Amino acid sequence: AAGVIQSPRHLIKEKRETATLKCYPIPRHDTVYWYQQGPGQDPQFLISFYEKMQSDKGSIPDRFSAQQFSDYHSELNMSSLELGDSALYFCASTIVGSDDYGYTFGSGTRLTVV
Amino acid sequence: GENVEQHPSTLSVQEGDSAVIKCTYSDSASNYFPWYKQELGKRPQLIIDIRSNVGEKKDQRIAVTLNKTAKHFSLHITETQPEDSAVYFCAASYSGGYQKVTFGTGTKLQVIP
Repeated sequence: AAGVIQSPRHLIKEKRETATLKCYPIPRHDTVYWYQQGPGQDPQFLISFYEKMQSDKGSIPDRFSAQQFSDYHSELNMSSLELGDSALYFCASTIVGSDDYGYTFGSGTRLTVV
Repeated sequence: GENVEQHPSTLSVQEGDSAVIKCTYSDSASNYFPWYKQELGKRPQLIIDIRSNVGEKKDQRIAVTLNKTAKHFSLHITETQPEDSAVYFCAASYSGGYQKVTFGTGTKLQVIP
């Protein structure tokens, strides 16, 4: 079965650089969520999109932006990277209104800022 | 917004024993409670979930209970095995997948052979 695809799997950037993370949801899933997980911490919600519109916003820094495209994939853009941005970034997808609305997570992108 | 508390933060059990992880939530509108298992460096994997119209759900060695009045829910793992060792997250959400899932802080379970 198709899963949530994230790319890249690993990313190393220097401080003040820019990074773009991509998420391809499961086919027919219309909602994408982005989470940031620091070492030993629970996933923290960043932002979500439903039908290409931002549906919710969490603790996402102003330096980050995201969007969902017409094919429902989403990109998280991170600028002026800081050391504290080093974390695992997961996206998850689901279908609004479905009886089965458990999240399916991608494998994550491990971002290391040096 | 929703706030989910999870206890204990670490749990060690002997192989074959049972493990119980407890969570409380704050938003009475939450009606969907998934549990995730996360192995080191890997994605959280949904292992079981429960909706607010059900008080208990069981899947082989895993069971969840929900007390809507007290706003708490629990994960029970029986006959634990070493491969159950992982971090477990409870979570709460409002229905339909439209609302974000709020995670608990996680429980690191270690099953000692």
